[in-house]
Amino acid sequence: SQKIEQNSEALNIQEGKTATLTCNYTNYSPAYLQWYRQDPGRGPVFLLLIRENEKEKRKERLKVTFDTTLKQSLFHITASQPADSATYLCALHTGGFKTIFGAGTRLFVKA
Amino acid sequence: AAGVIQSPRHLIKEKRETATLKCYPIPRHDTVYWYQQGPGQDPQFLISFYEKMQSDKGSIPDRFSAQQFSDYHSELNMSSLELGDSALYFCASEQREKNTEAFFGQGTRLTVV
Repeated sequence: SQKIEQNSEALNIQEGKTATLTCNYTNYSPAYLQWYRQDPGRGPVFLLLIRENEKEKRKERLKVTFDTTLKQSLFHITASQPADSATYLCALHTGGFKTIFGAGTRLFVKA
Repeated sequence: AAGVIQSPRHLIKEKRETATLKCYPIPRHDTVYWYQQGPGQDPQFLISFYEKMQSDKGSIPDRFSAQQFSDYHSELNMSSLELGDSALYFCASEQREKNTEAFFGQGTRLTVV
């Protein structure tokens, strides 16, 4: 069956360190993969998109990698700040008219 | 800039009642998605529309129906409500040809009592 897996346990890191979140998928061939941030009680907010023919994408302190062989994406936040604390969702766009979300990983950045 | 508007923001209904949730996409966005997010869970895809036609269907119960109107706004109708329908319902819109990101509304929090 098709599945998206993200770290189910919360990630706790110290301010200034790099946070790395993992998204693994099976039985999908996504056209592209997205990362969203979600704060409690609010809608997900788009952060980055990476296409199947791209290995890496950067935006300010954010970096996403996409390995279609391993079926994995890594999401990095460098120089993390307490304001980065949120749930981060990985989402696959299957080429049809739907985006499938992972369960998300909660990130806590301690000052 | 205009965002995705959802109404109402909060809704309390009793079991077996009917609820209607509305979504107004960003202007010129031709695709609308509906998602359901239970407490502590990831958003679950329900249904999507492209150019006013249903384009894909996810885990939407038969008690739910949705449509997209000529002005591109969409409504999610939920009948015979159950306690388990209590969740945040998100609508997202996208401009299909750009194929980049979906913009989410703030959600409607439905509580069934």
